Amino acid sequence: DAKTTQPNSMESNEEEPVHLPCNHSTISGTDYIHWYRQLPSQGPEYVIHGLTSNVNNRMASLAIAEDRKSSTLILHRATLRDAAVYYCIPSSKSPNDYKLSFGAGTTVTVRA
Amino acid sequence: NAGVTQTPKFQVLKTGQSMTLQCAQDMNHNSMYWYRQDPGMGLRLIYYSASEGTTDKGEVPNGYNVSRLNKREFSLRLESAAPSQTSVYFCASSDGLTGETQYFGPGTRLLVL
Repeated sequence: DAKTTQPNSMESNEEEPVHLPCNHSTISGTDYIHWYRQLPSQGPEYVIHGLTSNVNNRMASLAIAEDRKSSTLILHRATLRDAAVYYCIPSSKSPNDYKLSFGAGTTVTVRA
Repeated sequence: NAGVTQTPKFQVLKTGQSMTLQCAQDMNHNSMYWYRQDPGMGLRLIYYSASEGTTDKGEVPNGYNVSRLNKREFSLRLESAAPSQTSVYFCASSDGLTGETQYFGPGTRLLVL
């Protein structure tokens, strides 16, 4: 499994953008980059994933470096509900077999 | 759709007692997973089932057994609970064919005294 490095914590003001970096320098060429988040006292929830191109969805944007050794999750306008632990997870995609390896993640605090 | 449901929500056991954690999903997913999360840490995979009728060990399987009862249900059993198994247990499921997203249940908080 590829190792990841994420900052322990980040703070943001409400309605401001949040950029969450992740270093995954040992990622293999076929690994996807997934981001999940975990709100307090809840199970993790999927945020976004990508392979090589930048990706956007209703929750966030994912910017992937050209060499794929790092990526950045972008929350465009943080809300109080975005306060959570964010996990960056490179993972392979084998048929009928898909495992996630969670690290410690980045704890995001949003100030009103 | 309820998604992934887990029972019970909370349980207290004494050392040596046994119990089964139940998990069910209504999304017709092939793959199901059991994770544990200790305070301040990320999730660790205990067991997974890539498809009905198959189960495999994850990162921390010792002290646990699992049963994939049918496509919907995946249970986790603690035969003789130990204080080190105090944790929050999460069940998840995914469409094994695409494997892009895992959907998690709300968790079971287990305290072993």
